[in-house]
Amino acid sequence: GQQVMQIPQYQHVQEGEDFTTYCNSSTTLSNIQWYKQRPGGHPVFLIQLVKSGEVKKQKRLTFQFGEAKKNSSLHITPTQTTDVGTYFCAGPAQGGSEKLVFGKGMKLTVNP
Amino acid sequence: NAGVTQTPKFQVLKTGQSMTLQCAQDMNHEYMSWYRQDPGMGLRLIHYSVGAGITDQGEVPNGYNVSRSTTEDFPLRLLSAAPSQTSVYFCASSYSGTSGTDTQYFGPGTRLTVL
Repeated sequence: GQQVMQIPQYQHVQEGEDFTTYCNSSTTLSNIQWYKQRPGGHPVFLIQLVKSGEVKKQKRLTFQFGEAKKNSSLHITPTQTTDVGTYFCAGPAQGGSEKLVFGKGMKLTVNP
Repeated sequence: NAGVTQTPKFQVLKTGQSMTLQCAQDMNHEYMSWYRQDPGMGLRLIHYSVGAGITDQGEVPNGYNVSRSTTEDFPLRLLSAAPSQTSVYFCASSYSGTSGTDTQYFGPGTRLTVL
């Protein structure tokens, strides 16, 4: 079945460093969504990318959708302690858009 | 708006017991879903509904039942709890039935332990 893979699954950075995480799909996606889950919290929507090669920025966060619409990246520069949490990417399931398939998440810890 | 609400927040069950996790939303969303989150496994879809009276299975439906009698409510029933169902359960909703293109709004979660 369709898979959405996130690499790496864990990352630890020093505050102020740059950080990038990646999301890869086994199939072409019509769109990709990113969510953030703070420790002990619930996932919260960050952004959706729809167009091939699309780049969107939210303050220190930059999101990119690959040209082939099979991968995406999230870049944070510079990282802050408020960035700690687990970041999920998600895309429509193959064969229909009623289901959303999530990656396993990337857990980010930040050393102050 | 309260958004998506879930009750209870915490629950401990014994093997074989049954219970219902409640989920409600006040945003008039058509689409509702249930996910379970286990360490290292991400969010896995259990069941979903594209509107009142319509439900369908997700990735891990075994051991769970759902119904959608109203737009607002989407309860998840555990028929006979097993330790493998120990998890954090999230309910989510989105505006339209095409969840793959809509923002998902998640509830605060229910932490379930089955002994």
